[in-house]
Amino acid sequence: DQQVKQNSPSLSVQEGRISILNCDYTNSMFDYFLWYKKYPAEGPTFLISISSIKDKNEDGRFTVFLNKSAKHLSLHIVPSQPGDSAVYFCAASGEANFGNEKLTFGTGTRLTIIP
Amino acid sequence: GAGVSQTPSNKVTEKGKYVELRCDPISGHTALYWYRQSLGQGPEFLIYFQGTGAADDSGLPNDRFFAVRPEGSVSTLKIQRTERGDSAVYLCASSLNRQGASGANVLTFGAGSRLTVL
Repeated sequence: DQQVKQNSPSLSVQEGRISILNCDYTNSMFDYFLWYKKYPAEGPTFLISISSIKDKNEDGRFTVFLNKSAKHLSLHIVPSQPGDSAVYFCAASGEANFGNEKLTFGTGTRLTIIP
Repeated sequence: GAGVSQTPSNKVTEKGKYVELRCDPISGHTALYWYRQSLGQGPEFLIYFQGTGAADDSGLPNDRFFAVRPEGSVSTLKIQRTERGDSAVYLCASSLNRQGASGANVLTFGAGSRLTVL
């Protein structure tokens, strides 16, 4: 049972344009959603998060949008840069209290920025 | 240390052998997680420690897998009688997760240990 889904395995975007990565989830009990970025031979690194009580969170070039009724979130990167080429994972968790704070990950989307 | 350190970075073993993978978390991080990432998949949760105790081991696939964290810092993931299907990258992560804290639980990952079972 895949609770967090990323249906696009790959995405190519021209440098300077907007990259939009999508994620769907099934568990309405999730309280937080996070995006991680992974380069080859490295561990995933945290990018940005959003609480389930918000619909938008912005950090520099990165913005995450949450549509709770549709159980859908997206990561927008603008403008896209060659260094953004990586695999992006969507993750979700419960409240950071003892017991339900482990992250559940999607399968990832490989983003390629074309110079 | 400055980051999460995992050793070995690569391990090749034969089917049936015993393997230990080590994780050294960020100093002061009380929570430690093990994940497994197979090719083309996202990280899959295995086990989580809060201090020395395993708070959630629901992701361990079977009793060949075991993990310890005896002093609340370094952790070792142990795999007995390895099988070819155990081949994957084993990721360790740590966080400052504090009981009762609010906010997203941000995990910091190590680079992983790539296990290949021949």
